[in-house]
Amino acid sequence: GENVEQHPSTLSVQEGDSAVIKCTYSDSASNYFPWYKQELGKGPQLIIDIRSNVGEKKDQRIAVTLNKTAKHFSLHITETQPEDSAVYFCAASIYGNNRLAFGKGNQVVVIP
Amino acid sequence: SQTIHQWPATLVQPVGSPLSLECTVEGTSNPNLYWYRQAAGRGLQLLFYSVGIGQISSEVPQNLSASRPQDRQFILSSKKLLLSDSGFYLCAWSGTGGEETQYFGPGTRLLVL
Repeated sequence: GENVEQHPSTLSVQEGDSAVIKCTYSDSASNYFPWYKQELGKGPQLIIDIRSNVGEKKDQRIAVTLNKTAKHFSLHITETQPEDSAVYFCAASIYGNNRLAFGKGNQVVVIP
Repeated sequence: SQTIHQWPATLVQPVGSPLSLECTVEGTSNPNLYWYRQAAGRGLQLLFYSVGIGQISSEVPQNLSASRPQDRQFILSSKKLLLSDSGFYLCAWSGTGGEETQYFGPGTRLLVL
């Protein structure tokens, strides 16, 4: 099955700097890649997603890039703010599979 | 719009006691439904998923079971809890027809003592 890995496991950034989290996946058939943000004690919330027919997608301060050849995708957060501190999960799936393969999560800490 | 509910929010249970966690979804029909467990500081482990009433797929062998008695209701149960069942239980839903996006509920924190 699909295997998704996230790096780094913990990332600390100064407020206002950018944060980048990278995920790699194993199954070249995967074609959908969502990112979730989980705040302490809450369920994960979808923040952005990308499909394999697109190389980049932006939504205000967050963006996701996809490199199908290298089988990796990244989350970019610009102008980080304290409220960006959370655990971020990446995932991958194949259309029609009904399941997402999740990475183990990255703890992002924004230092004021 | 769609909303997903889980209850209870927090539960403390003794070892060997039964368990019933409930998840309901509003605003959609025939969703796919999922149960995940998240141990402290760990990732998301898929336990069960369902594509329809009475249709349950188990991802990992364990002493937990799931049922889907109604279209938008998903229940996680155990006859006898173990210490290792402690964790954060998350329910999620997605649309049918191959729609992959999953939306999570607020979760239930279970502590088995």
